[in-house]
Amino acid sequence: NAGVTQTPKFQVLKTGQSMTLQCAQDMNHEYMSWYRQDPGMGLRLIHYSVGAGITDQGEVPNGYNVSRSTTEDFPLRLLSAAPSQTSVYFCASRPGQGRNEQYFGPGTRLTVT
Amino acid sequence: AQSVTQPDIHITVSEGASLELRCNYSYGATPYLFWYVQSPGQGLQLLLKYFSGDTLVQGIKGFEAEFKRSQSSFNLRKPSVHWSDAAEYFCAVDQEYGNKLVFGAGTILRVKS
Repeated sequence: NAGVTQTPKFQVLKTGQSMTLQCAQDMNHEYMSWYRQDPGMGLRLIHYSVGAGITDQGEVPNGYNVSRSTTEDFPLRLLSAAPSQTSVYFCASRPGQGRNEQYFGPGTRLTVT
Repeated sequence: AQSVTQPDIHITVSEGASLELRCNYSYGATPYLFWYVQSPGQGLQLLLKYFSGDTLVQGIKGFEAEFKRSQSSFNLRKPSVHWSDAAEYFCAVDQEYGNKLVFGAGTILRVKS
């Protein structure tokens, strides 16, 4: 199993551009989520999904869209990038069915200029 | 709202010395608690978790943590630190049955030889 994979590893955007961060998992996990990590703030939840076709907002959802059409994939879309979205983005998944531990991908470092 | 506090931003210990990283949480119900470790430029790796039962939990890499309900704490310990333990450590509490992890701001561990 590759676990949780994310692409790209690094990305530079200009203000106003849009892009999609990709996340995939091959563990057949029900639950997937996106976090952003900023210095001194830990990780904060952006959006999450409890299964295909079901998504919900986390703590910091503004400026981001998600959809979950398959169990394996959970892309994060930045609609109009802003410098405040410069961050490291982590995707995570967990098995569900009473197992609460989440498994994290390697991250995408995004810089918005 | 639930919160997690890691009072120490940086900790420096000598190789071979013991280690304790502090974590306090604010949560009404019985929490699910986690410790994750992040090496520079890497994703997060689960060290250990507490769901219920024995309040002293063992994790990987020789780490353990003790849940103390009366103090709302979940401190991470290791009896003898190795240089490879230098990393950033995050405590997290689970909301909504695993759907919303809330992270502390992290503690950076430096190990001096």
